[in-house]
Amino acid sequence: RKEVEQDPGPFNVPEGATVAFNCTYSNSASQSFFWYRQDCRKEPKLLMSVYSSGNEDGRFTAQLNRASQYISLLIRDSKLSDSATYLCGFGGATNKLIFGTGTLLAVQP
Amino acid sequence: DTEVTQTPKHLVMGMTNKKSLKCEQHMGHRAMYWYKQKAKKPPELMFVYSYEKLSINESVPSRFSPECPNSSLLNLHLHALQPEDSALYLCASSQTGSYEKLFFGSGTQLSVL
Repeated sequence: RKEVEQDPGPFNVPEGATVAFNCTYSNSASQSFFWYRQDCRKEPKLLMSVYSSGNEDGRFTAQLNRASQYISLLIRDSKLSDSATYLCGFGGATNKLIFGTGTLLAVQP
Repeated sequence: DTEVTQTPKHLVMGMTNKKSLKCEQHMGHRAMYWYKQKAKKPPELMFVYSYEKLSINESVPSRFSPECPNSSLLNLHLHALQPEDSALYLCASSQTGSYEKLFFGSGTQLSVL
């Protein structure tokens, strides 16, 4: 089983749509969970940390399911500017932050 | 604007050249990272420095040589690279370890001819 599995997409959605991505991880010792956004030819930028209780930041909601070993990202009311690649990341005491393959989101006008 | 600064932004080098990539952060972070990213792939971890000591080398070929002169600086020395080493090289830092969020520099786009 791969360390991290993420649907590469692309997800093509109309403006205003709600879209959700999942990311599964195999290392049960993972302690920290993140969603990063990466625009074409740019560096990854932290979108959200993911907490056990779930967390929300405006139109973005992140969830963690430790039992099933996955995290999710929900984007409501999609904007054109949300078009990007979304990378999940998992870290722990080994000092490794491992990324998923990324999910490409294209929001259409 | 990123608080991790990488230079140069672009680099073209021949297979016999020696060059260095530089990274600087002034956030007081004690962990610094080099990642390599090929097009349409996720960043792949290369090296981790923790408190200025190399803590992880992900079996990177010796033609890549990292150096951490002090807690704010991270270098990547390149020698005798191959064309397949062409990629975006990203530097990142975190407060003390990867269980914390990473801040990335804007990267060096490297082309090896």
